[in-house]
Amino acid sequence: GAVVSQHPSRVICKSGTSVKIECRSLDFQATTMFWYRQFPKQSLMLMATSNEGSKATYEQGVEKDKFLINHASLTLSTLTVTSAHPEDSSFYICSASSGSGYNEQFFGPGTRLTVL
Amino acid sequence: AQRVTQPEKLLSVFKGAPVELKCNYSYSGSPELFWYVQYSRQRLQLLLRHISRESIKGFTADLNKGETSFHLKKPFAQEEDSAMYYCAITQGGSEKLVFGKGTKLTVNP
Repeated sequence: GAVVSQHPSRVICKSGTSVKIECRSLDFQATTMFWYRQFPKQSLMLMATSNEGSKATYEQGVEKDKFLINHASLTLSTLTVTSAHPEDSSFYICSASSGSGYNEQFFGPGTRLTVL
Repeated sequence: AQRVTQPEKLLSVFKGAPVELKCNYSYSGSPELFWYVQYSRQRLQLLLRHISRESIKGFTADLNKGETSFHLKKPFAQEEDSAMYYCAITQGGSEKLVFGKGTKLTVNP
């Protein structure tokens, strides 16, 4: 299957700083990438959908100015958590879709963000 | 709004026993339903989807529109099936997935 990577896998930062998480599709071109957030022992919640070359579409309740998403190429999307606070601590997961076939999304391994 | 319900947070069976993970959904249109699996320390991966009607690793799932269910079944569970299982739905034409809360399956030796 297609491979999606995320970097970093784990990050610890101080409150008020910004953190960038990268999501890459390694062996296919991803027309669409998705960003999810997963709290401990809870399900994945979709934050936003990003299409290459256009603005991301955010889900209701997700602050677009806080969670900046850039999808500059067909293999890379970035999520920047701006002015992070402890409540932003979570597991962030991206997925990528080539846009063909049965809408299959390929998931990255996730990034654990801890804000002190 | 679409909703996916997995009523069991935890499910424990013995090796060789049948297993059924329940999933119910609420959506008025034509849904596409999926089962995703996450093994320990691994990423989420697609197990099966209803439109392909395939059996993966011995698992099957049938979409029952009357009962709005998409239960995942396997006649003889194996220890390597122990994992977190998520049922998910998309509305027709959309790629956005809505996940259930997941069921943790433990298959005991």
